[in-house]
Amino acid sequence: QLQLQESGPGLVKPSETLSLTCTVSGGSISSSSYYWGWIRQPPGKGLEWIGSIYYSGSTYYNPSLKSRVTISVDTSKNQFSLKLSSVTAADTAVYYCARHILRWLHPTRIDYWGQGTLVTVSS
Amino acid sequence: QSVLTQPPSVSAAPGQKVTISCSGSSSNIGNNYVSWYQQLPGTAPKLLIYENNKRPSGIPDRFSGSKSGTSATLGITGLQTGDEADYYCGTWDSSLSACYVFGTGTKVTVL
Repeated sequence: QLQLQESGPGLVKPSETLSLTCTVSGGSISSSSYYWGWIRQPPGKGLEWIGSIYYSGSTYYNPSLKSRVTISVDTSKNQFSLKLSSVTAADTAVYYCARHILRWLHPTRIDYWGQGTLVTVSS
Repeated sequence: QSVLTQPPSVSAAPGQKVTISCSGSSSNIGNNYVSWYQQLPGTAPKLLIYENNKRPSGIPDRFSGSKSGTSATLGITGLQTGDEADYYCGTWDSSLSACYVFGTGTKVTVL
């Protein structure tokens, strides 16, 4: 059974860079059938898609976050990572990593989610 | 701000039916398949419907999906207390800023 697990600091200071890693177990991140993504959810609010990456390194990003986001992949470790720069309190959220099914050359439905990790931006 | 609009809340008594709408545009729902996700309190979302009307293994047929033009609908029949959750639509947006988009979310309350 595929499992995704987020890891990283739960507290980040304003103006610094938020860094999270997702470790994939029970399946290979190098499969040609999937994109690997990040989604966040501020407390009490809805889901916001951040971006996703293919094992080759090809990425898609949310235009509203694109200037601050970098998603990378490490196939040797079966991991992918998120970096979000210049964070503010508005970036406080539960961050989920997830697997997208690849169809028609782009990410489609999300069939597996990590449990999520709360990241708080505060001094 | 989401490009897919859902009603904030819907409610019904146990055993009844609810429908949740998801309104978008030609660049997203109009030209791409829609998925629906269920998020129970305190948990990660779960895929409920994909490719407009298909159910993953293990999802009961009380849940159904449909699409017409630039709108999609999730239906839940035989409402149960365990269905109380937030529901989100999602799809690919094929505009110049290609990205995945979620709906605003709908809270289902079982009266």
